Amino acid sequence: DIQMTQSPSSLSSSVGDRVIITCRASQSISNYLNWYHQKPGKAPKLLIYAASSLQSGVPSRFSGSGSGTDFTLTISSLQPEDFATYYCQQSYNTPRTFGQGTKVEIK
Amino acid sequence: EVQLVESGGALVQPGGSLRLPCAVSGFTLSSYWMHWVRQAPGKGLVWVSRINSDGSSTSYADSVKGRFTISRDNAKNTLYLQMNSLRVEDTAVYYCTREYGSYGYYFDYWGQGTLVTVSS
Repeated sequence: DIQMTQSPSSLSSSVGDRVIITCRASQSISNYLNWYHQKPGKAPKLLIYAASSLQSGVPSRFSGSGSGTDFTLTISSLQPEDFATYYCQQSYNTPRTFGQGTKVEIK
Repeated sequence: EVQLVESGGALVQPGGSLRLPCAVSGFTLSSYWMHWVRQAPGKGLVWVSRINSDGSSTSYADSVKGRFTISRDNAKNTLYLQMNSLRVEDTAVYYCTREYGSYGYYFDYWGQGTLVTVSS
């Protein structure tokens, strides 16, 4: 199985800050990497697919980059509604696997 | 509008069984691979199972293999997860999700989740 490791596990930031979350795969997954965020009590929501493609309706302050084993999710200017837990997920093979999550909290 | 609605979550004793339906609308179920993902209280997302578009191929996480069965009825627009020999560690919110496969593969729509609690 492909292991996905996110860092950091949590972070505290202020509105307007630039936030970067990283995700590393245990083997090369090309660009088969997706990002989701989840708010408490809600289902996950797709933000970025295929490493760098912005899902329809998602604000342009979200961007993704990387290929192979190393990926990043960047929020250019953190907004109040962005405080949530972020997950990366590989779709290179089955089982689909998720990172452990990065909780973004208000400083 | 695409919708996925899970149901069937309940409190069940260890060793018991439960079937979770996921009713979909707003798209043609037979065109998509479907998955179940679960989340234990306070924990992260864990993939459980997937089924291909016509139901001829399935896959399972090692933790549920031999106990859970995924199936679908495309005519009824419903995905199912049959859970047998339930364990305390199966306690989680269970989400059904649609996998879109064009440029990459990704879970573009999710249900709201249904809570399964395994406890004596």
